[in-house]
Amino acid sequence: SQTIHQWPATLVQPVGSPLSLECTVEGTSNPNLYWYRQAAGRGLQLLFYSVGIGQISSEVPQNLSASRPQDRQFILSSKKLLLSDSGFYLCAWSARGKENRGEQFFGPGTRLTVL
Amino acid sequence: DQQVKQNSPSLSVQEGRISILNCDYTNSMFDYFLWYKKYPAEGPTFLISISSIKDKNEDGRFTVFLNKSAKHLSLHIVPSQPGDSAVYFCAASGDMGFTGTASKLTFGTGTRLQVTL
Repeated sequence: SQTIHQWPATLVQPVGSPLSLECTVEGTSNPNLYWYRQAAGRGLQLLFYSVGIGQISSEVPQNLSASRPQDRQFILSSKKLLLSDSGFYLCAWSARGKENRGEQFFGPGTRLTVL
Repeated sequence: DQQVKQNSPSLSVQEGRISILNCDYTNSMFDYFLWYKKYPAEGPTFLISISSIKDKNEDGRFTVFLNKSAKHLSLHIVPSQPGDSAVYFCAASGDMGFTGTASKLTFGTGTRLQVTL
């Protein structure tokens, strides 16, 4: 069966510090990978998606970047965090092909607080 | 521009009764609609989906209805149980803006369901 891991679970960082959140998927190959953010009281906002190694697309301009160095690894980064980067970050994967019906499977999330 | 809207931020229902969560969308190009359930500090989990060519899909206590002319879908939970208390997100899927085989999910803002004893 497929599993998706995210770490760390919780992170408190000062403004201006760097960020690296990691996501790995097991039990599947060639997944589509996604990074979402849920700000307080808001819905899920898609930040980045990737259809393959080294292929990253950004949905919204922001202070963050993403990388996919391996097939099942997705990293979210920032060089200098802003207060507005606080939120709950979720990684997700989906299977290739239209038969997936758009269904995505989410990791446990990382709660980021920028002070 | 919010393409998927959940206008009720919260809903309280008595145990054993029916819970009805609503969702409206604006883009007629969406081809699948999904409902996710989310507990605090956890990732959303998939509940049920419906293709745009259907008007109803049922899975146990969960039924999703789609009214394409009204661009409206709803999730019915019968009977409601205390363990159903969570935030429910409506999402819509389509190939808009994606290349290859990925599909983009557009989420609503969620409805917090509380099932009381």
